[in-house]
Amino acid sequence: EVQLVESGGGLVQPGGSLRLSCAASGFTFSDFQMNWVRQAPGKGLEWVSLINAAGSTTSYADSVKGRFTISRDNAKNSLYLQMDSLRDEDTAVYYCARERQMGYWGQGTLVTVSS
Amino acid sequence: DVVMAQSPLSLPVTLGQPASISCKSSQSLVYSDGNTYLNWFQQRPGQSPRRLIYKVSNRDSGVPDRFSGSGSGIDFTLKISRVEAEDVGVYYCMQGTHWPLTFGQGTKLEIK
Repeated sequence: EVQLVESGGGLVQPGGSLRLSCAASGFTFSDFQMNWVRQAPGKGLEWVSLINAAGSTTSYADSVKGRFTISRDNAKNSLYLQMDSLRDEDTAVYYCARERQMGYWGQGTLVTVSS
Repeated sequence: DVVMAQSPLSLPVTLGQPASISCKSSQSLVYSDGNTYLNWFQQRPGQSPRRLIYKVSNRDSGVPDRFSGSGSGIDFTLKISRVEAEDVGVYYCMQGTHWPLTFGQGTKLEIK
């Protein structure tokens, strides 16, 4: 069974940093692209970032480019999102999702940016 | 960016009746490999999104056959043949053809 479990969310002040993790199981992690997708409270879904299977190519939404960094450790079956220079508008539930077409999602982790 | 316009944004439906959601993209979703990467997701209250349909019309494993997807080019539709109580939630279309990946605004389905 495919499982994706996010962690690392919490309350952080504007300008601060946070690192999210996504632990994958039930499939060969190193075979799949992975995404981060977020959902602000009461709002719709917004794609944030994607990394290829090898970890050599990344893509970002303009809203996070230069502030967020996606990475992965295939030996640990884990996906990461380093979030720096956080803003109020980054407050959201962050989901990891498997492959570009997002066939599987985790349960999400809440990031709250507030002073 | 490719804009995905869903309609309606709110969809009250009587149990057992059909429902239909439209999704129109601002440009063709046909990829260079010939595939059309248009997906549909369901998000029940308090839950994560779940993919129902991929590449326009392919149902994911475990998705009831009352859900169907159709369309081509820039015009797509999700249909539910007979709405059940468990179908309440928000439905999103998403294009996986162009960068950045983009979602529709969501359609909230409720029971009348």
